[in-house]
Parts: sequence; structure tokens; C-alpha cells
Amino acid sequence: DTGVSQDPRHKITKRGQNVTFRCDPISEHNRLYWYRQTLGQGPEFLTYFQNEAQLEKSRLLSDRFSAERPKGSFSTLEIQRTEQGDSAMYLCASSLDRGGHQPQHFGDGTRLSIL
Amino acid sequence: GNSVTQMEGPVTLSEEAFLTINCTYTATGYPSLFWYVQYPGEGLQLLLKATKADDKGSNKGFEATYRKETTSFHLEKGSVQVSDSAVYFCALSVPYGQLTFGSGTQLTVLP
Repeated sequence: DTGVSQDPRHKITKRGQNVTFRCDPISEHNRLYWYRQTLGQGPEFLTYFQNEAQLEKSRLLSDRFSAERPKGSFSTLEIQRTEQGDSAMYLCASSLDRGGHQPQHFGDGTRLSIL
Repeated sequence: GNSVTQMEGPVTLSEEAFLTINCTYTATGYPSLFWYVQYPGEGLQLLLKATKADDKGSNKGFEATYRKETTSFHLEKGSVQVSDSAVYFCALSVPYGQLTFGSGTQLTVLP
């Protein structure tokens, strides 16, 4: 169990640019979640996948955001035309689909800073 | 909708003091309850969980009891250490659902 891995750890970009983050879940976990965390707040749900299917999206996920999980393994989160308000920590979590209350395991996050 | 209300911080204690961080929730259905801890520069780590009413979760000296009648899941530790300094998040999930978090409580333990 190598844990959930996220890349990059930090991303600094200019407003208007596109950015893409990657998440590698724990290998046997078939559920994958993306959250966003702003300073001083708890994480907020963005979207989740069961295997390769994206099953739920939060209203926070505007049309500038897109997430994929090809082949049900790693996932990418892309933000197009970044805005100042996109500055946050983006967290990925994974869990095993083995009954309804499996805990989610988090990666260390990608911190996005928009200049 | 689901929500979690958490005791606001920051909380500053001396080493070996007793810790309580209050957490109450609102949820439809039968949620599971969690405490996560976040150390500086790191992601969230699961501290403990409880999946049904009257369950007690415990780990590393921390405890929390799922109280359905008061919709609460307060975190306690009898004797805190400097290494416990971190941000603590209370959270809930319904089966197969995403986590809903409180706003977090910053704990600082002084030697």
C-alpha cells in the first residue's frame, strides 16, 4: 500500500492558463474523489468516480473544470482559463467499494496558486 | 442537506491537558462519522471513525462516541502531547457518498 499519490505538489500559474493535476489512488481502490480546500476551511467535494464512471459532480465544478479517470486507474483534473478564485489545495482520495462506509484515504494534495 | 458544525479554534493547550473538540451534524439517512487530522503541509489522515449510533471510535488515545440523540461526535483525549498539534476535521458520509467536512479546529499544544 503506497498510499494516494498526487502530482504536482505545487503549481503556480498565471490567470487564464490551463492546468492539469494527476492522482494515483491506492491500487485496489475503485472509488476516487476530488475535493477542494481553501485556507481555513474544510475540504469541499468536487466529483467522484466508481472505476472509470464519473457518478457525481458538485455544483462547485463549473464548466471550466473537467475530470477523467480512463481505465479506472489514475485520474486527472483539468482547470481551463484559471481564475484567481481557483487558488486552493486540490485533494484526491480513494476508497474500496466494500460496503457503504469505507473510509477515504487522502493524498497530500496539489496546491494551486494563480498569479 | 448534510452539514457539520465544528468548534471554532484555535485551541491552545499545555502538554498533558485534557482535550475536547465539539462536533455536531445534520444528515439525512444513516451517516458514518469521522475525525481526520491534517499536519502542516500534509494531506488528511483518518484518525477514527464510527458507523452507527453508540459506536465509539478510538485511535492514538483519541476517542469519539456517535451520539444520535444529540447528533454529536465530540473528539476527546485525556492527555495531549506536543506532537498532537494539527488541524482536526469532523466529517460525515452517507453510504457510498462523499464526505462533508466541518471547517476544522487548529490545535496547538505547548510544552
